[in-house]
Amino acid sequence: EPEVTQTPSHQVTQMGQEVILRCVPISNHLYFYWYRQILGQKVEFLVSFYNNEISEKSEIFDDQFSVERPDGSNFTLKIRSTKLEDSAMYFCASSERGLINEQFFGPGTRLTVL
Amino acid sequence: AQTVTQSQPEMSVQEAETVTLSCTYDTSESDYYLFWYKQPPSRQMILVIRQEAYKQQNATENRFSVNFQKAAKSFSLKISDSQLGDAAMYFCALIMEYGNKLVFGAGTILRVKS
Repeated sequence: EPEVTQTPSHQVTQMGQEVILRCVPISNHLYFYWYRQILGQKVEFLVSFYNNEISEKSEIFDDQFSVERPDGSNFTLKIRSTKLEDSAMYFCASSERGLINEQFFGPGTRLTVL
Repeated sequence: AQTVTQSQPEMSVQEAETVTLSCTYDTSESDYYLFWYKQPPSRQMILVIRQEAYKQQNATENRFSVNFQKAAKSFSLKISDSQLGDAAMYFCALIMEYGNKLVFGAGTILRVKS
């Protein structure tokens, strides 16, 4: 069964450093998303991406964040200068927007900023 | 703007018994989808069940069923014959028919006692 994959599973970085979180969506999906979950809190939408551009972003997704689809398979989230409050679980999701608007989630990347 | 409310931070159930998790939501639109996701300690988001708002019939998936009350904007999850493996955080989520973002509730921790 096709699935969304994410690497790394856990990333530790120093405050101020840049990080890139990687995702491989399901191959026939055209819509891609990033969500964030700070420990013990709800899952929050960050950004959606379609046709090589951002289709919607939340207030959280400020200038420190960017997304890219560098090739036909990867979808990345970059945080330019990490802050302590960026420590969270980051989930990638993808969908094909068929009959049901359902998103399929990856296993997540746990980002720890020290 | 859409909101999702889960009023039960934590629930407990005896193994083999039935438990119901509550969820209410708010949207001004009529076409949307509702989901319940399970998040075990691994923190992966696992889809449990989905409901299309245009369908009057409540969705069922093995031991999991929902009580969807569109007028009341209520979407509860019933777990029958609870098993130890059901212990997890459960999130209720809403997305518009052509929307980009899932809106999540705060989650309910389900504990299963043997």
